[in-house]
Amino acid sequence: DSGVTQTPKHLITATGQRVTLRCSPRSGDLSVYWYQQSLDQGLQFLIQYYNGEERAKGNILERFSAQQFPDLHSELNLSSLELGDSALYFCASSVELGAGRNTIYFGEGSWLTVV
Amino acid sequence: AQTVTQSQPEMSVQEAETVTLSCTYDTSESDYYLFWYKQPPSRQMILVIRQEAYKQQNATENRFSVNFQKAAKSFSLKISDSQLGDAAMYFCAYRSPYKDDMRFGAGTRLTVKP
Repeated sequence: DSGVTQTPKHLITATGQRVTLRCSPRSGDLSVYWYQQSLDQGLQFLIQYYNGEERAKGNILERFSAQQFPDLHSELNLSSLELGDSALYFCASSVELGAGRNTIYFGEGSWLTVV
Repeated sequence: AQTVTQSQPEMSVQEAETVTLSCTYDTSESDYYLFWYKQPPSRQMILVIRQEAYKQQNATENRFSVNFQKAAKSFSLKISDSQLGDAAMYFCAYRSPYKDDMRFGAGTRLTVKP
C-alpha cells in the first residue's frame, strides 16, 4: 500500500458526460501528480499541483482540469468525455517540490471506461 | 526534452534464471534520478529501484539491481533468481531535479516461465 488513495476505482460513463476523480496523497506529501495510461501504453503526465497551486502541466486536454484543495486532496475533472478518454488514471504524490530526488508514489488508479 | 526508451517490448525468462531489461535515456542534464517501476496485472505502479545519477555505485534491492552507465545514458535492470511473481510490465523512468514530472518509457512486458 503506497498510502495514496484514489476513488472511484472503476467508473463507466457515457460519451459527453463529466466525471470527477479524487485523490488523497500520502500523509505529509504536498505534491500531487496525475497521469493517464491508455490500454497497453506508457504513462502520460497530465498535471502537477504543489500545496494547492498548479506547478507543471503536461499533455492535458482542455476538456480536463484539476485542482488541489487546502487539505491537499486533489480532483481531476474530465468533461465532454470521448471514447478515447477510456484509460487508467493514476494519482501520485511526493514530499516536496522540484527536488527530483523525492520518489513519486502511485495510487492504485481509477479505471475510466467511456461507452 | 528528456526521453526514455525501452527497446524491448517483451521479454521472457525461465523461473530461477536471470534477466536484464534495457533502458536508455536522452538528457543534457548532469544530475537526475532514474527509476524502475513494476506494474503487475493489478495495474498498480510499484517502485522497484531508484538510482541517483551522481552516485557511481549501482543500486541494489534484494534480487533487483541496476547497471547504470552514465556516459552511455543506459540504465538496465537485472532481476536475479526470477520468480513467477516478477511477471509484470516494467517501466523505466527519468526525473530531472529541475522539473517536477517524471518521464516514462513505453515499458517491457516480462513473462516468467515455470
